[in-house]
Amino acid sequence: EVHLVESGGGLVKPGGSLRLSCVVSGFTFSNAWMSWVRQAPGKGLEWVGRIKSKIDGGTTDYAAPVKGRFTISRDDSKNTLFLQMNSLETEDTAVYYCTTFGDLSPDYWGQGTLVTVSS
Amino acid sequence: DVVMTQSPLSLPVTLGQPASISCRSSQSLVYSDGNTYLSWFQQRPGQSPRRLIYRVSNRDSGVPDTFSGSGSGTDFTLKISRVEAEHVGVYYCVQGTHWPQGFTFGPGTKVDIK
Repeated sequence: EVHLVESGGGLVKPGGSLRLSCVVSGFTFSNAWMSWVRQAPGKGLEWVGRIKSKIDGGTTDYAAPVKGRFTISRDDSKNTLFLQMNSLETEDTAVYYCTTFGDLSPDYWGQGTLVTVSS
Repeated sequence: DVVMTQSPLSLPVTLGQPASISCRSSQSLVYSDGNTYLSWFQQRPGQSPRRLIYRVSNRDSGVPDTFSGSGSGTDFTLKISRVEAEHVGVYYCVQGTHWPQGFTFGPGTKVDIK
């Protein structure tokens, strides 16, 4: 069974940094493309970025609002996906979900971790 | 960039009656491989989203045939044949065809019981 468990959320001041983690199980992580999606309180879903598997180049793509501030990385030896978030803004307040990437669609989702950016 | 729209944004439905949600994209979602990467998600209150349909009309494992997807090009539809209480939530369409723009979600359609 596929499991994704995010952690690392919390309260951070504007301009601060936070690193989210997503530990996965139930599939071969090293072969998987992965994605982050966020949801601001009471709002819809917004794609944050994706990372390809190392065998496919390991490259990343980001949504315009986070490009240059957020970085996605992975540690295949630990079945873990990361989201490094720098220069955080109040608009980044959201629940952050990690997702698998199946059939060019985010197929499996974690339970999410809440990031609150506030002074 | 491709923009996804949904209608209606709010859909009150009588239990046992059918429901239909429309999703439109500003550009064709046909990919270079001939497939159309349009999927549908359900988000129940307080839960993570769950994929129901991928590539327009393919149901995910465990999704009942109460749900069906159809459409092509830029116009797509999710149908619920008979609405049950457990179907209450927000439904999103999302495109995965256009990269590196990334996944683009529709605004969501809130389904509740009349």
